[in-house]
Amino acid sequence: GDSVTQMEGPVTLSEEAFLTINCTYTATGYPSLFWYVQYPGEGLQLLLKATKADDKGSNKGFEATYRKETTSFHLEKGSVQVSDSAVYFCARSGGSNYKLTFGKGTLLTVNP
Amino acid sequence: NAGVTQTPKFQVLKTGQSMTLQCAQDMNHNSMYWYRQDPGMGLRLIYYSASEGTTDKGEVPNGYNVSRLNKREFSLRLESAAPSQTSVYFCVTPGQNIVGYTFGSGTRLTVV
Repeated sequence: GDSVTQMEGPVTLSEEAFLTINCTYTATGYPSLFWYVQYPGEGLQLLLKATKADDKGSNKGFEATYRKETTSFHLEKGSVQVSDSAVYFCARSGGSNYKLTFGKGTLLTVNP
Repeated sequence: NAGVTQTPKFQVLKTGQSMTLQCAQDMNHNSMYWYRQDPGMGLRLIYYSASEGTTDKGEVPNGYNVSRLNKREFSLRLESAAPSQTSVYFCVTPGQNIVGYTFGSGTRLTVV
């Protein structure tokens, strides 16, 4: 079945460090790919998305490129801030019912 | 404002009690989903409904039932709550252009 595998955390970085969170997905069909962010005590927010191969999603300094050849959608940010501390979820949608399949989440903590 | 309204926000149940989580959307989409979120497990699909009058099992349906009352409403019922059902529950529907999903604010359920 459909699945998403993302880098296990927790990840702890210092402010202004470079961030990469790896994500790979099963290549069934033509999925859309997403990164969601969950701040402490809140629900999930869409961070960025990509709908086809080679698309780059970007938002708030975060970027991810839809790589069909490696079935990957890695999240990157050049300089993290304390306010980026959150749980990040990679997800794919696909099929006639548009179901979302999530990775297990990666906890990011950014220290001043 | 278009969105997903989910009630209640918090609930504490005793083992064996029953309850229904309510969800209503005004995104005018056919599909609706119930997910549960547990630490380290990401979000897992419980049940989904591809259209009014249809429902299907997701990844973790045991102990739950659902009703798609009409296009707007999709309820999740726990007939006999168990401590293993302690979780945060999210109702989700695709956006108008499919790429982008709208989440309810979540229900934090504790079963003691």
